[in-house]
Amino acid sequence: EAGVAQSPRYKIIEKRQSVAFWCNPISGHATLYWYQQILGQGPKLLIQFQNNGVVDDSQLPKDRFSAERLKGVDSTLKIQPAKLEDSAVYLCASRRLAGAGELFFGEGSRLTVL
Amino acid sequence: SQQGEEDPQALSIQEGENATMNCSYKTSINNLQWYRQNSGRGLVHLILIRSNEREKHSGRLRVTLDTSKKSSSLLITASRAADTASYFCAPGGSEKLVFGKGTKLTVNP
Repeated sequence: EAGVAQSPRYKIIEKRQSVAFWCNPISGHATLYWYQQILGQGPKLLIQFQNNGVVDDSQLPKDRFSAERLKGVDSTLKIQPAKLEDSAVYLCASRRLAGAGELFFGEGSRLTVL
Repeated sequence: SQQGEEDPQALSIQEGENATMNCSYKTSINNLQWYRQNSGRGLVHLILIRSNEREKHSGRLRVTLDTSKKSSSLLITASRAADTASYFCAPGGSEKLVFGKGTKLTVNP
């Protein structure tokens, strides 16, 4: 079974520029999560999708971050405009069942904002 | 959902020794999960223990859960250099999993 795919693995941009990250979850996984992990900290949940609907985006900075999940499969996370404090690893995870079972994580996309 | 608090924040041991890390949480749960994160990688699920279980084993891993104390422990026996990683607990059973800062384990060869 293929794992969660994320791209790009690394991205360097200047502040005020925009960036987009892509995630392809495990086939058949209805629930998809985006986490932000700043160096030395644990992952912080940004947004959770159930199929193509948003379940929780309470921690998503909506003035600059946006996310969508097309047709309940792939997802993109966009930051526009980026700030220095957005430098982090963006992790995508998927789960087969809502509310139960383990999360499967991708390798993450490391963003550096200069 | 709630965040677990891992303790200690950092742990350094010699290869072959056992490593124990703890997780505390605040409200009742259906289950608790442990994850490992190697440097520069995503999190990997290690084990899930349900609220009606007191202990669970998986290879060199032993997890205990004490619901009365709202705490869990992860024991890694006969540690190896490859066990060097950060370990996170996720108390829950609800829709979302919230992670704390983790325990950073270093196993010295």
